[in-house]
Amino acid sequence: GDSVTQMEGPVTLSEEAFLTINCTYTATGYPSLFWYVQYPGEGLQLLLKATKADDKGSNKGFEATYRKETTSFHLEKGSVQVSDSAVYFCALSGAGNQFYFGTGTSLTVIP
Amino acid sequence: GAVVSQHPSRVICKSGTSVKIECRSLDFQATTMFWYRQFPKQSLMLMATSNEGSKATYEQGVEKDKFLINHASLTLSTLTVTSAHPEDSSFYICSATGSNRYEQYFGPGTRLTVT
Repeated sequence: GDSVTQMEGPVTLSEEAFLTINCTYTATGYPSLFWYVQYPGEGLQLLLKATKADDKGSNKGFEATYRKETTSFHLEKGSVQVSDSAVYFCALSGAGNQFYFGTGTSLTVIP
Repeated sequence: GAVVSQHPSRVICKSGTSVKIECRSLDFQATTMFWYRQFPKQSLMLMATSNEGSKATYEQGVEKDKFLINHASLTLSTLTVTSAHPEDSSFYICSATGSNRYEQYFGPGTRLTVT
């Protein structure tokens, strides 16, 4: 069945460092892919999305490209800030519009 | 646009009582709503899917008599945790889809603590 495998954390980076959080997926058909961010004590917020192969989602300096050939949707940011500290979830929307979430990656950015 | 609210944001109840959590789509009609449960430092676990006016579809292992879901209108779904026990303490998150059925919009979550 459909699934998402996400890089395990926690990840700790210094401010202005480069961020990559790996995400790969398994799906039948052509899923839509998402990154969500969860700040402490809050619900999930959509960070970015891509609905077809080679699409690049971007928001707030974060980017992810839907790579069908490698079944990946890695999240990147060139220069992280302390305010980016949160848990990041990769997700896919597959057949029947059911969502599948990765296990989440906790990011801590230190000044 | 596409805002989903939940109420209450936090609730503390005594063991054996029932608690109702509301999930509302504020600016769109939600054809489908989802209820998730999240344990500390873990991912979201889908509990059930509900379509307006029909019975919810529960995931395997979720007790439908304990977690009652009602989706009476296109903007409101409720989750009632009946006869709550401490092990039901968790973070409950709802989401909703509108005309774009492949995208879900999440509520801010409800922290339930059963004492």
